[in-house]
Amino acid sequence: SQQGEEDPQALSIQEGENATMNCSYKTSINNLQWYRQNSGRGLVHLILIRSNEREKHSGRLRVTLDTSKKSSSLLITASRAADTASYFCAVAHSGNTPLVFGKGTRLSVIA
Amino acid sequence: DGGITQSPKYLFRKEGQNVTLSCEQNLNHDAMYWYRQDPGQGLRLIYYSQIVNDFQKGDIAEGYSVSREKKESFPLTVTSAQKNPTAFYLCASSIEFSGRGQQFFGPGTRLTVL
Repeated sequence: SQQGEEDPQALSIQEGENATMNCSYKTSINNLQWYRQNSGRGLVHLILIRSNEREKHSGRLRVTLDTSKKSSSLLITASRAADTASYFCAVAHSGNTPLVFGKGTRLSVIA
Repeated sequence: DGGITQSPKYLFRKEGQNVTLSCEQNLNHDAMYWYRQDPGQGLRLIYYSQIVNDFQKGDIAEGYSVSREKKESFPLTVTSAQKNPTAFYLCASSIEFSGRGQQFFGPGTRLTVL
């Protein structure tokens, strides 16, 4: 499969803790994207990291990309109850092919 | 107020009926997509359109049909040939088809077969 595989499938943490989610893929990519989905809603784009980038930040989000290991991680620092959602990685492979989404990580932040 | 709209939010269908899900965008995006999401699962691509009057099958196109007669609209028909249509359906768009940019998603339509 060309899709990204997220790990863990589910994660439960206390408010204020950091949350780390990982995404692995199998073939070369143009970029990797992270999305968030609140229950019963559409996905919202969080961050895009290109294959020649190693780290990007956006507010409390930090994304890293290791192309040698074909993996990416999403770190949410100082989590809040409002961060409770599912988080998906999506890989954009080289060439003219659609984004491929993984199955997601369900994050629960307990107040 | 730009964005993607999907209607209806909830849809109920009797077995054997065709139903059409609406997706409209005013973002002036060339590319549009339809995904299916089952409980606790990721997104699976049904159909996509790179440009008006063009569309291609995704990974799970059987039992579905689409049209792209206008840039703004990409309706999805769930036909009676789709054996297990109960799911959450998401429409998305992007400036261009290549995966280099982000996709913008609508709020989704939850389809239930009675």
